[in-house]
This record gives sequence, C-alpha cells and structure tokens, in this order.
Amino acid sequence: GENVEQHPSTLSVQEGDSAVIKCTYSDSASNYFPWYKQELGKRPQLIIDIRSNVGEKKDQRIAVTLNKTAKHFSLHITETQPEDSAVYFCAARDNYGQNFVFGPGTRLSVLP
Amino acid sequence: NAGVMQNPRHLVRRRGQEARLRCSPMKGHSHVYWYRQLPEEGLKFMVYLQKENIIDESGMPKERFSAEFPKEGPSILRIQQVVRGDSAAYFCASSPSSTGELFFGEGSRLTVL
Repeated sequence: GENVEQHPSTLSVQEGDSAVIKCTYSDSASNYFPWYKQELGKRPQLIIDIRSNVGEKKDQRIAVTLNKTAKHFSLHITETQPEDSAVYFCAARDNYGQNFVFGPGTRLSVLP
Repeated sequence: NAGVMQNPRHLVRRRGQEARLRCSPMKGHSHVYWYRQLPEEGLKFMVYLQKENIIDESGMPKERFSAEFPKEGPSILRIQQVVRGDSAAYFCASSPSSTGELFFGEGSRLTVL
C-alpha cells in the first residue's frame, strides 16, 4: 500500500520568511496530492491540491510542486504570517480511488 | 451548502460501553471516510464507504469496530466495549466521487473513563 513521509516534523520561521514542507510517496499509481491545515482543536482544512498531470500550482501565498519521477511533492508558503501557524498534513490517493494516506504532519510556528 | 456534520462533538463513555459516532456527508457526496487522530498525532485511516457498501476497511480493527453507510441516513462508526485506548478524535470526511476532493467534519472526541 501507499506510504507517505513528511519532513520536517516541526518548523519555526520568522514572520515574513518562507516555509517549505516536503513529502514523499511510495506508490507510483498515486495521482492526487492534497495539503491540509489543522489548527489546534479544529478539523483539517483543504488549502491546496495538485493532480499528477501538472507540476506546479499556486494560490496567492501558497504553492505546491510535484515531481512524479522522484515521487515527492512540496508545499511552499511565502510571506508567512502568525495565522499560518498550524499543523500541515500532506496526503496521497492512488489511481484506483481508494483511501487517502496522510503524512505524519508538520507543526509550523511563525514567530512574530 | 452545509459542510460535513458530525455528532456528537464530544462523547464520554465508561469502559465496556458502546460508542456511536454519526456523520452526515456534504450534500451530493456519496463517499465517506473515517479517520482517527490521537493527540499530537496524524490522521490514521480506518474505513472508506460508499452508500450501502464498505469499499476499504483495512485500517479498522477487526474486533469491536464497525461502520455502515445506509441508503438513508448518516454514516455510523460503532465501537463496542470501549477501552481507554479508544479515546481519540474521530474525523469523518466526504467526497463527491472516488476522484474528488476530501472535506472533513469537525470531529467527534471520544473520552473513555
């Protein structure tokens, strides 16, 4: 089955700096890669996603890149703000429409 | 369009009792997933259901746990004879299709005394 790894597990950045979180997946059949943000005590919220037919997608300060050959994808947050502080999860879903497998999460702290 | 609705939001049970967690997917969504999350940990897949069918239950313990998604009504995750180790947040998520986006509910937090 699919296995998703995520690094780093914790990340601290100064407000205004960029943050990058990386994930790798094992199943080359995976074709959909969403990213979720979870604030303390709240539900995971979808912030951006990418499908395997594109290499990059951007939405304001957030971007995701995908390297299918190397089987890794990354979340980039620019001009970080304190409200970006949360746990971020990457996930992968295979081409057969089975379950989503999540990475272990990255706790991002944006220091004012 | 209301989001994914879960209830109860908080549930307290004593060891040996049963816990029933309910999930109503978003309107138009017929695919439901259940995940379990321990404090400070990630989202662990339990079960994936479509209306009246279990598609993948590979993450669900064989004993005491069961899930259903009937033709009418919410999906239900049932935990029989709860133990302290069942204490966790249980998140339901729904999707419009097997290739669609996944949206989470607010979760049900189970505490076993």
